[in-house]
Amino acid sequence: NAGVMQNPRHLVRRRGQEARLRCSPMKGHSHVYWYRQLPEEGLKFMVYLQKENIIDESGMPKERFSAEFPKEGPSILRIQQVVRGDSAAYFCASSPPQESSPLHFGNGTRLTVT
Amino acid sequence: GQNIDQPTEMTATEGAIVQINCTYQTSGFNGLFWYQQHAGEAPTFLSYNVLDGLEEKGRFSSFLSRSKGYSYLLLKELQMKDSASYLCAVMDSNYQLIWGAGTKLIIKP
Repeated sequence: NAGVMQNPRHLVRRRGQEARLRCSPMKGHSHVYWYRQLPEEGLKFMVYLQKENIIDESGMPKERFSAEFPKEGPSILRIQQVVRGDSAAYFCASSPPQESSPLHFGNGTRLTVT
Repeated sequence: GQNIDQPTEMTATEGAIVQINCTYQTSGFNGLFWYQQHAGEAPTFLSYNVLDGLEEKGRFSSFLSRSKGYSYLLLKELQMKDSASYLCAVMDSNYQLIWGAGTKLIIKP
């Protein structure tokens, strides 16, 4: 049973370009979470999605950032017109529908904006 | 507001025991999780407590007191590979996870 799959593992973008980060949850998991982490800092919640629905996006910046989890295919975190401050590790986690289930994390995408 | 407090950094000796504390104030409570995160890697699930008391899992144990808003993670027979950050997270009344900033544990030989 494959774990949470994220790709790419590393992504380099120039300022102003777009970054697309993909996440395939574990089999049987219908809940997806995106977190951002700066070096030596804790996880910062960004968005919580279920299939075709954004449940909580209270941690998402209002501009340039968007997320989706379509009926078919992976969840996508999209960052438009990236700036140097977007450089971070972005982790995706998934969980089954049961409440109070632990989250399982992917290996993350390290985004570097040059 | 909601917050989770845990020490920023702790140091311990190989073979010893260390206790990492976590205090929380959240709107409601539906369980507390501990995760381990090695530098540059993904967090991995260690334990879940929803009732008061101690949960033991090999060298690691986790304790919860809901009335005190308090938990600890106890690591015994420390090994060098236990050097990592340990994250405390509480699930609130809306089943949303509130995360602490993590405790960096440094193990010395």
